[in-house]
Amino acid sequence: DVKVTQSSRYLVKRTGEKVFLECVQDMDHENMFWYRQDPGLGLRLIYFSYDVKMKEKGDIPEGYSVSREKKERFSLILESASTNQTSMYLCASSSPSGFYNEQFFGPGTRLTVL
Amino acid sequence: SQQGEEDPQALSIQEGENATMNCSYKTSINNLQWYRQNSGRGLVHLILIRSNEREKHSGRLRVTLDTSKKSSSLLITASRAADTASYFCATDATYGNKLVFGAGTILRVKS
Repeated sequence: DVKVTQSSRYLVKRTGEKVFLECVQDMDHENMFWYRQDPGLGLRLIYFSYDVKMKEKGDIPEGYSVSREKKERFSLILESASTNQTSMYLCASSSPSGFYNEQFFGPGTRLTVL
Repeated sequence: SQQGEEDPQALSIQEGENATMNCSYKTSINNLQWYRQNSGRGLVHLILIRSNEREKHSGRLRVTLDTSKKSSSLLITASRAADTASYFCATDATYGNKLVFGAGTILRVKS
């Protein structure tokens, strides 16, 4: 059974803290993604990676960075957390198979920044 | 950049009824996908329809795609309380990597 796991389901941090969100997939997928989800806005792409040590900015990369040192792990870093980064964060992975590129999602991390 | 937009934003029906959700998008696509999200969880892939396909079925799901109108619909037949979830369409315009998701339709099926 394919699996994407995220390090925490719920996280509470204080403004200014450095926050690490970890995502691990066991499907040997090349592509990994970080989204944030806010009510009424759907999923917005923060960063994605198509290979180890490769990363590309998505639609809303400001305030975030990522790290992909191993194929199975993709980390999202909030360098200095702010209250407007309170959100649900979703990680996903996919295989670049041309037409059939469904994404597999983790359960999400609900981050609250106080 | 939000490519897909779902309509309606919310839908409430009785168990056994059919539910129809629509998705419109702006640019040419390679495929369009539908996902379901149960409350507070990750998304689960439901069905993918390629740009050269017009209709696709999977169990109680029926998806149509009209590329001339840049729109798709998802029909869930004989709905069940367990179908209560948010449904998202996602479009792929870049051959393989990124998907662009809409804001979703919240479906509530009352038993």
